Amino acid sequence: DTEVTQTPKHLVMGMTNKKSLKCEQHMGHRAMYWYKQKAKKPPELMFVYSYEKLSINESVPSRFSPECPNSSLLNLHLHALQPEDSALYLCASSPFGSSDTQYFGPGTRLTVL
Amino acid sequence: AQSVTQLDSQVPVFEEAPVELRCNYSSSVSVYLFWYVQYPNQGLQLLLKYLSGSTLVKGINGFEAEFNKSQTSFHLRKPSVHISDTAEYFCAVSFSGNTPLVFGKGTRLSVIA
Repeated sequence: DTEVTQTPKHLVMGMTNKKSLKCEQHMGHRAMYWYKQKAKKPPELMFVYSYEKLSINESVPSRFSPECPNSSLLNLHLHALQPEDSALYLCASSPFGSSDTQYFGPGTRLTVL
Repeated sequence: AQSVTQLDSQVPVFEEAPVELRCNYSSSVSVYLFWYVQYPNQGLQLLLKYLSGSTLVKGINGFEAEFNKSQTSFHLRKPSVHISDTAEYFCAVSFSGNTPLVFGKGTRLSVIA
């Protein structure tokens, strides 16, 4: 089973809202990732968690706050977003680290009004 | 600098015709190579990967790719495409060590009936 699940599938929020995106995998992977993907562009790496510790933060604005409660779960907390943050947010996991095969979830389509 | 280049942003091809999607990378170190496919409004699905061993790699849905170290290429091929192959295809490279995956800009494959 190579499944990564993400909820919700779609999210519409105002600029003053606080919301969270959730990601889950049960493959025993120890690395988890958040990517942002704009239309017709490749995914852009936001955060990497390795063994439940934040190992990479690609200079992401503080209005995005990641959290890894345990080895199976990854959250992305959103607060005071801007319309330009509207995008597809993808979660991925890999067995150990960035050089391993990454398995992607279906994504959350976020619209910020 | 380490980079990944997908030479064609769009490739139109008739149904049942062969197709080749090109990917080149620049690196003087060992690499791991991946092709992902993204159907509209979905996440990325792993098509195939090269980690070591045989340079001809077979993947899902009838796709294959060949690693050419001297030309630093990893082109994706399919001998006969179907309408259902219409999607965005991303080449991705992991450059040595635990470094983040680097994606090409993507190639939009459009299969015409």
